[in-house]
Amino acid sequence: DAGITQSPRHKVTETGTPVTLRCHQTENHRYMYWYRQDPGHGLRLIHYSYGVKDTDKGEVSDGYSVSRSKTEDFLLTLESATSSQTSVYFCAISETGGEPQHFGDGTRLSIL
Amino acid sequence: AQSVAQPEDQVNVAEGNPLTVKCTYSVSGNPYLFWYVQYPNRGLQFLLKYITGDNLVKGSYGFEAEFNKSQTSFHLKKPSALVSDSALYFCAVRPGGDDKIIFGKGTRLHILP
Repeated sequence: DAGITQSPRHKVTETGTPVTLRCHQTENHRYMYWYRQDPGHGLRLIHYSYGVKDTDKGEVSDGYSVSRSKTEDFLLTLESATSSQTSVYFCAISETGGEPQHFGDGTRLSIL
Repeated sequence: AQSVAQPEDQVNVAEGNPLTVKCTYSVSGNPYLFWYVQYPNRGLQFLLKYITGDNLVKGSYGFEAEFNKSQTSFHLKKPSALVSDSALYFCAVRPGGDDKIIFGKGTRLHILP
């Protein structure tokens, strides 16, 4: 398996609190992605990065921000969590861009 | 709007029988097409992709997919299903000239012993 670690794997928090999810890779891949998975919606892209400090928005970026200060780490932040952000979040990486090649095992986030 | 559709939420197949999981797409340009599989509590795993060339693409775990340009379809197939093939399958498409892919909603495949 590719070296992708997501932390935490599970989190329960309250509406209005900030939340940060971390994705760490050991593959030295240039591209990193954050997706959310919801029943009936498949996977939807939140943000992606094409290099250190280079990020762009996906189709569901409202309420989320990201940062990438090192090749290996890609952080997803919910500044003020809402119940609609309850979801399973997946990080993915790609060496060449375009399609994600390897996924982490996900973070299950519940916002009460 | 560019989209990818998986018309079946669930497909049930008896072990040993051939299986097909359907995918159709509506995108501009010449698309790249992909299939991924997700096992419980795991991330997605890449199965196969079509870029150009032979319409029949072979992938991991004995799966293959057939690209049909006239029907804008990319169905996933396997000649003989295994119980261990039970999982959630996602079709995805990368529109021509785009650098991001669009996922379908997924099809849950149940292989019955």
